[in-house]
Amino acid sequence: DAGVIQSPRHEVTEMGQEVTLRCKPISGHNSLFWYRQTMMRGLELLIYFNNNVPIDDSGMPEDRFSAKMPNASFSTLKIQPSEPRDSAVYFCASSLPTGGGAKQFFGPGTRLTVL
Amino acid sequence: DAKTTQPNSMESNEEEPVHLPCNHSTISGTDYIHWYRQLPSQGPEYVIHGLTSNVNNRMASLAIAEDRKSSTLILHRATLRDAAVYYCILRDGWGTYKYIFGTGTRLKVLA
Repeated sequence: DAGVIQSPRHEVTEMGQEVTLRCKPISGHNSLFWYRQTMMRGLELLIYFNNNVPIDDSGMPEDRFSAKMPNASFSTLKIQPSEPRDSAVYFCASSLPTGGGAKQFFGPGTRLTVL
Repeated sequence: DAKTTQPNSMESNEEEPVHLPCNHSTISGTDYIHWYRQLPSQGPEYVIHGLTSNVNNRMASLAIAEDRKSSTLILHRATLRDAAVYYCILRDGWGTYKYIFGTGTRLKVLA
């Protein structure tokens, strides 16, 4: 079975450009998570969705970041305009809603570099 | 803030058991204890989780203290492929799926 799919795997852009990261969760999973990982801050949750509805976006750093989940099989994380401090690895994860013991399955990540 | 405390790094010899400790003194009665690991240049992967009783699966064992304020992940025979950062995680409150990842323990396995 395919795991969580993320694209692109690498993105290099210039400051001020719009960046869109994409995620396809595991089929049948109805919780989706976007994380960011940097050396300074470690792995931090940006936003998560249940049944395509955003539940907690308290980790979204600022208005330049937005996330959508138009259907159960697709989500995007958009940064507009991008800044050098947004450089990080962005992970998408999905899970089944099995209560407190739910396992999260992570994608391979998108390494974003903003010049 | 992370709700767990782990040593920054540990070393083990190949084919020897490894015990990775985690303190979670503020754990609530409904919190599961989750362990994930992150291999170099990969996303985190699930290892094991438990609530009160010790748990075993094909990857590892999880020993949970009776008061649940600490736990230990046990790799029975470390291999070079087990070199990774191991995260002990609790949810950020009841009713949420939000994990709070701490800094984890970087495990080095020596050949």
